[in-house]
Amino acid sequence: EADIYQTPRYLVIGTGKKITLECSQTMGHDKMYWYQQDPGMELHLIHYSYGVNSTEKGDLSSESTVSRIRTEHFPLTLESARPSHTSQYLCASRKSGSRDGYTFGSGTRLTVV
Amino acid sequence: DQQVKQNSPSLSVQEGRISILNCDYTNSMFDYFLWYKKYPAEGPTFLISISSIKDKNEDGRFTVFLNKSAKHLSLHIVPSQPGDSAVYFCAAHSGGGADGLTFGKGTHLIIQP
Repeated sequence: EADIYQTPRYLVIGTGKKITLECSQTMGHDKMYWYQQDPGMELHLIHYSYGVNSTEKGDLSSESTVSRIRTEHFPLTLESARPSHTSQYLCASRKSGSRDGYTFGSGTRLTVV
Repeated sequence: DQQVKQNSPSLSVQEGRISILNCDYTNSMFDYFLWYKKYPAEGPTFLISISSIKDKNEDGRFTVFLNKSAKHLSLHIVPSQPGDSAVYFCAAHSGGGADGLTFGKGTHLIIQP
């Protein structure tokens, strides 16, 4: 059973729409991350959070925004979707100090038409 | 500039034989390395990690070797099984800068019966 959940799994939406990708984890992890992956390419870190009310931008510039009001919830929002935002978005979490690896969700495949 | 490189986009290995996946890195600040396995339309699953102060870590059929002087690591899978067919990502963690992992582009491993 997955301990980190992403919804929706797939989303096709028109240009200009506002969208929110949901990510929730039940492991009590303090750190959470959003990665973006295009087909055949590496995962790029776009946002991360160290805990409630903490958000930082990652290595890859993104027009999306995130919030962390609750420990378990780390949604990503695009105010106005564009075709260039078409990609897979992966949410991950880990506990501070743990080197056992980040736990990833199943991802959201976003297509903007 | 790619800091983690997986130069083989794909690798085909016969069932029962050894699979060797390679990864090179350029950043000396990486303090530990991880391998992930990813099936299509799913999130990456953590396999095994190794600290930069070690040269080998073993877990069942999976062994990771680290050659720090060559900035090279490899994942060995013995024996290879059909369920091992997936994309394998090498990832590295840096103690400084944005928290999160730096990923390679992945190697698609195909296990032939």
